[in-house]
Amino acid sequence: DVQLVESGGGSVQPGGSLRLSCAASGFTFSSNWMHWVRQAPGKGLVWVSRINSDGSSTIYADSVKGRFTMSRDNAKNTLYLQMTSLRAEDTAVYYCTGSGSSAYWGQGTLVTVSS
Amino acid sequence: QAVVTQEPSLTVSPGGTVTLTCGSSTGAVTSGHYPYWFQQKPGHAPRTLIYDTNNKHSWTPARFSGSLLGGKAALTLSGAQPEDEAEYYCLLSYIGVRVFGGGTKLTVL
Repeated sequence: DVQLVESGGGSVQPGGSLRLSCAASGFTFSSNWMHWVRQAPGKGLVWVSRINSDGSSTIYADSVKGRFTMSRDNAKNTLYLQMTSLRAEDTAVYYCTGSGSSAYWGQGTLVTVSS
Repeated sequence: QAVVTQEPSLTVSPGGTVTLTCGSSTGAVTSGHYPYWFQQKPGHAPRTLIYDTNNKHSWTPARFSGSLLGGKAALTLSGAQPEDEAEYYCLLSYIGVRVFGGGTKLTVL
């Protein structure tokens, strides 16, 4: 069975940092472009970032550019999102998801930024 | 940044047909925007229904189909079932950057 399992969420003060992880199994992770998507409580989906299959190329939404860094370890089948300078508006459930025929979704991990 | 527009809400009768659309502030939606469609039910993660305009996943019910229609991406549901009541989101690609629409709340009533 395909699984994407996010972890690393939690509560953090404004200006703080968190690193999210997404462990993949059941499909060829190393061949797939991956994305992070977030959803604030009661709001719609917002695309955050994308990484290509070998990790050499990333692209970010303007709202997180310069603060978030996406990376991957294909040997560990794991995706990461390093988040710094966190703001209240970054509060959301963060999902990892694949692309194309591998557009699976994890269950999400909640990040709360509050003083 | 481009704005992707969807109908805020639609209602369909059980067994009926409904088309959800996805427009772009930059002009006509084409296959080059690689349209995706997602379904999300309350309290659950989204799931992908359609990718690259009209490709279905193994779990996508046959009653869902994707297309380009009148300059927009479209998701057509033929033979609506009560379990299709959900929020539906489209996603478009703009030379790498992806943008979600605001979502369509579909009621089956």
